[in-house]
Amino acid sequence: QIQLVQSGPELKKPGESVKISCKASGYTFTNYGMYWVKQAPGQGLQYMGWINTETGKPTYADDFKGRFVFFLETSASTAYLQINNLKNEDMATYFCATGGWFAYWGQGTLVTVSS
Amino acid sequence: DIQMTQSPASLSASPEEIVTITCQASQDIGNWLAWYQQKPGKSPQLLIYSATSLADGIPSRFSGSRSGTQYSLKISRLQVEDTGIYYCLQRYSNPRTFGGGTKLELK
Repeated sequence: QIQLVQSGPELKKPGESVKISCKASGYTFTNYGMYWVKQAPGQGLQYMGWINTETGKPTYADDFKGRFVFFLETSASTAYLQINNLKNEDMATYFCATGGWFAYWGQGTLVTVSS
Repeated sequence: DIQMTQSPASLSASPEEIVTITCQASQDIGNWLAWYQQKPGKSPQLLIYSATSLADGIPSRFSGSRSGTQYSLKISRLQVEDTGIYYCLQRYSNPRTFGGGTKLELK
């Protein structure tokens, strides 16, 4: 069965960087794009963008252009989200999701930003 | 960007009742709409895709419909385990956009 397993919670200071991994299993990694979704505490779901797992090309939603980077380690069937120069407003749970209809989700990674 | 306006923001209903949640798209998105349920501390779960198709393993009391650019999720015979937050998502165009969510509680 298709599974997405994300890395564990992170505690970071403002200005630092964080890298979140999303390891896929149970299917051919390049068959589906990988999407990223942000959920701030007590808030709804916010689409961040996606990465084409065949070409490695990322596409970012407007709010996530600049400090956010999607990349792949295809040999390991793993997608990554890196957030640079962390800000307080980046504190959230980040989900990876795949399947055209976002049918499969990782368990989420909580990023806490605190000085 | 396509805006998805979801209503109501919250809803309280009794077991066995019928509830309906709607999403209004800001433009035509065809049937490119999905519905998700999210429980506290969990990932969203796909319920409905292509506006009306039931996802694998989802009980038949969940159903989706479309009227123009308005989409509805109906839950018939509400069960205790149906509490949670429900979201719609359009995948007609990039960027994908979610509705604001509907929090469903049972009385």
